[in-house]
Amino acid sequence: GAVVSQHPSWVICKSGTSVKIECRSLDFQATTMFWYRQFPKQSLMLMATSNEGSKATYEQGVEKDKFLINHASLTLSTLTVTSAHPEDSSFYICSASPLRTEAFFGQGTRLTVV
Amino acid sequence: AQKVTQAQTEISVVEKEDVTLDCVYETRDTTYYLFWYKQPPSGELVFLIRRNSFDEQNEISGRYSWNFQKSTSSFNFTITASQVVDSAVYFCALSVHGSGNTGKLIFGQGTTLQVKP
Repeated sequence: GAVVSQHPSWVICKSGTSVKIECRSLDFQATTMFWYRQFPKQSLMLMATSNEGSKATYEQGVEKDKFLINHASLTLSTLTVTSAHPEDSSFYICSASPLRTEAFFGQGTRLTVV
Repeated sequence: AQKVTQAQTEISVVEKEDVTLDCVYETRDTTYYLFWYKQPPSGELVFLIRRNSFDEQNEISGRYSWNFQKSTSSFNFTITASQVVDSAVYFCALSVHGSGNTGKLIFGQGTTLQVKP
């Protein structure tokens, strides 16, 4: 199946700093990628849709200025958590899909803000 | 509105027992996709199955089987002869209507399955 790689797997950062998470489709091109967030023992919630060459589409309640998404190429989308705070600590996971097939997920990134 | 409900928060069974995980969905779309994913403690999501709304055939894959019933908006997942390695969180998901890209999903709350030896 298609491979989506996410980096880093885990990161610890200080409150107030920014963290960048990368999501790459390794063997297919993805004009669209999706970013989800999962708090402990909860479900995955869609944060935003990343569109190659254009602005991301954010779900209601997600601060676009805090969660910056850049989809500069057909194989890479990045999520930057700006001025991170402890409440941003979560599991972030991206997905992409070759058209009309199932979504493939990255390994996820566990962010801890201290 | 589109919604997925997994009413069972946690299920505990003894190895070799059969177990069914329930999933009920809501959508006004006539074309949609349903999925099941497994999430082990490591966190990654493992794809198990995709089913489109026009295909109500039940499916069996080894010890896994799925029962899709549009009449009751359900897509239940059964593990036969469960094993300890089946212990994980299982998510049912619904694709949001779009141009065919099934990457945008609405997830249920998840069911934590614990299989004891």
